[in-house]
Order: sequence, then C-alpha cells, then structure tokens
Amino acid sequence: GENVEQHPSTLSVQEGDSAVIKCTYSDSASNYFPWYKQELGKRPQLIIDIRSNVGEKKDQRIAVTLNKTAKHFSLHITETQPEDSAVYFCAARERGFQKLVFGTGTRLLVSP
Amino acid sequence: DGGITQSPKYLFRKEGQNVTLSCEQNLNHDAMYWYRQDPGQGLRLIYYSQIVNDFQKGDIAEGYSVSREKKESFPLTVTSAQKNPTAFYLCASSILSEPKGQPQHFGDGTRLSIL
Repeated sequence: GENVEQHPSTLSVQEGDSAVIKCTYSDSASNYFPWYKQELGKRPQLIIDIRSNVGEKKDQRIAVTLNKTAKHFSLHITETQPEDSAVYFCAARERGFQKLVFGTGTRLLVSP
Repeated sequence: DGGITQSPKYLFRKEGQNVTLSCEQNLNHDAMYWYRQDPGQGLRLIYYSQIVNDFQKGDIAEGYSVSREKKESFPLTVTSAQKNPTAFYLCASSILSEPKGQPQHFGDGTRLSIL
C-alpha cells in the first residue's frame, strides 16, 4: 500500500519569508495529492491539490510542485503571514482507491 | 448551508462502555470516511464507505464498528474492545470519481476521552 513521508515536522520562519514542506510517496500509481491546513482544534481544510498529469499548480501565495519520477511533491508558501501558522498535512491517493494516505504533518510557526 | 456535521463535540466514555459518534452530510457525497487523530500525529483511517450498506476497514479498524444505512449518515461506534480510545475523531466525505481523485471535506471533529 501507499506510504507518505513528510518533512520537516516543525518549521519556524519570520513573517515575509518563504516556507517549503516536502512529501514523498511510495506508490507510483498514486494520482492525486491534496494539501490540508489544520488550525488548533479545528477541521483540516483543503488549501491546494494537484493531479499526476500536472507538474505545478499555484493559487496566490501557495504553490504545489509534483515530481512523478522522484515520487515527491512540495508545498510552497511565499510572503508568509502569522495567520499561516498551523499544521499542514500532505496526502496521496492511490489510483483506483478512494482513500487518502496522510503524512504526519508539519507544524508551521510564522513569527511577526 | 451544505456541509458535514459531527456530534457531539466532546464525548466521555466509561470503562466497558460503547459510544457512538454521529456524522451527517448534506453534500450528496457517495463516499464517507472516519479518521483518528492523536496529538502530534497524522490522520489514520478507521473505516470508509463508498456506497450505502457497504464499508471497508481502514488501517486501524480494530475496536471500532460502522454502519451506512443512509447515504447521508455514517456513524462510528467505539467499542469497549478499543483500549485506548482517547483521540480526536474526524469524519470526511467526497464524491466518487475515477481516474481523478477528489478532495475530502471534513467535519469539525469529536474529541473522545476516557472517564
């Protein structure tokens, strides 16, 4: 089955800096990769996703890149703001299955 | 206002007791999921269902049971066989689509603790 590893587990940046979170997956058949943001005690919320036929996707300050050959994908947040502070989860979905396999999360702290 | 409703928000379980967590969605999604989240950890899949009256075990199904009698509802029972039930439980739903994946939408969660 699919296995997703996520790094780093904690990331501290200054406001205005960029933040990058990386995930690797094991199953080359996986074809959908969402990223979720979870604030303390709240529900995970989808912030961006990418499918295996696309190499990069951008939405304002957030971008995701996918390298299918290396089986890794990354979340990039530019011009970070204190409200970006949260736990971010990556996930991968195996082709033919509906379930997602999640990474262990990255706690992002943006200091003013 | 469409969404996923989980209840209760907080739940306490006594030794040897079964408790049921409710999850209802009005998004007309076919698939529903239950995850367990422990502090500092990711989401682990307990059970999922793609159609009424059918469900599959996830990675940590032992000590849990589910039913899917209606499309809108996917209750989770934490049985007395689950010896460490203290966790944050999240319900999610999604549409079914092949070959493309679809995002899962989450409820606000239920925090379960042992008395």
